[in-house]
Amino acid sequence: AQKITQTQPGMFVQEKEAVTLDCTYDTSDPSYGLFWYKQPSSGEMIFLIYQGSYDQQNATEGRYSLNFQKARKSANLVISASQLGDSAMYFCAMIHYNQGGKLIFGQGTELSVKP
Amino acid sequence: EAGVAQSPRYKIIEKRQSVAFWCNPISGHATLYWYQQILGQGPKLLIQFQNNGVVDDSQLPKDRFSAERLKGVDSTLKIQPAKLEDSAVYLCASSLWGQETQYFGPGTRLLVL
Repeated sequence: AQKITQTQPGMFVQEKEAVTLDCTYDTSDPSYGLFWYKQPSSGEMIFLIYQGSYDQQNATEGRYSLNFQKARKSANLVISASQLGDSAMYFCAMIHYNQGGKLIFGQGTELSVKP
Repeated sequence: EAGVAQSPRYKIIEKRQSVAFWCNPISGHATLYWYQQILGQGPKLLIQFQNNGVVDDSQLPKDRFSAERLKGVDSTLKIQPAKLEDSAVYLCASSLWGQETQYFGPGTRLLVL
């Protein structure tokens, strides 16, 4: 079964500290991609970072990095130097290239950054 | 570059009424998606268009939901008649053909009473 699991419903982090949001996935298809999206209270899903299953290096985008461990089927998001504006819901999602463009989302993790 | 536009942002209707949502994708994006996000869950794909053709509508409740993308640009999603369980945020997303990253609009929050 193709599935994304985010086991942390809520997380707290102190401003300026780093935080890791967990994501594990289940698929038997070797060709896939993994995404992280941020959803503030306004509702829009904001693209943060992408990792392809064949990418050798972990993806990084500014303060965001993706800790991709293929053998363990995990794709954790690391946010460095947290800011108050990082408080939001974070969703991990998977795409299968041989099955069209459908994104399969996890349940999300609510991150709260404390001043 | 303008993002994905959606309207209305909020809609409250009574059950058995009909409602329509509109989406304008990013200019040049051939692929358009409609997702349904029920409170406390991740979004779920309802329908995917490639230009004006349907690629995937396997999870669209076709007895009450319909969608079209005439001329391959704007799209409309309709619910008729609405049920209480249709209360959700309806997100539209678009992507360039052959590119994996989808860009989302602000969503339409629907409340069915």
